Amino acid sequence: DTGVSQDPRHKITKRGQNVTFRCDPISEHNRLYWYRQTLGQGPEFLTYFQNEAQLEKSRLLSDRFSAERPKGSFSTLEIQRTEQGDSAMYLCASSARSQSAQYFGPGTRLTVL
Amino acid sequence: GQQVMQIPQYQHVQEGEDFTTYCNSSTTLSNIQWYKQRPGGHPVFLIQLVKSGEVKKQKRLTFQFGEAKKNSSLHITATQTTDVGTYFCAGDFGNEKLTFGTGTRLTIIP
Repeated sequence: DTGVSQDPRHKITKRGQNVTFRCDPISEHNRLYWYRQTLGQGPEFLTYFQNEAQLEKSRLLSDRFSAERPKGSFSTLEIQRTEQGDSAMYLCASSARSQSAQYFGPGTRLTVL
Repeated sequence: GQQVMQIPQYQHVQEGEDFTTYCNSSTTLSNIQWYKQRPGGHPVFLIQLVKSGEVKKQKRLTFQFGEAKKNSSLHITATQTTDVGTYFCAGDFGNEKLTFGTGTRLTIIP
């Protein structure tokens, strides 16, 4: 399967714990995006990378959130000191270039107890 | 701010009937994309519209981009049970990121 993969698929954690999610994009894609989706809503943009450079970060993303793409391949999204409001589906997408189709991974569903 | 509104929120149709969802932007878009998300699944890219007044067809699906590049629609002819899901429009305001609409959830009555 050469699509976008995400790990883990599900994560249950207690409030205050740190969590880290991984995304592996389609190999030849240099753009990588993170979104958050809650029930009944469309995906909300969080941040994106062009190769290893993080080009934009949404104002929605508090200081507790950090993302990296160290070698321009896979990316990680870390949430520190999780809160119940962080419970959501975290989606990763990749694209070959700007303003082109984005291909989504299956997402990581986070539940904060 | 830059917003993308989508209506209706829900649509229930009899199998074989047509379905349309509409997307409106607060400001001019660079391009608009449409995605389909099946229940429990992730968004899947359907199409991208770039030009003013553009119309594209994919089998029973017809996509339109308004002349002012501020609105778009997706029309499905003769719906089938496989069309079930939520359809999202996603606007690009020229800032290289997508702003998704709230989606239209389509259910089919067999």
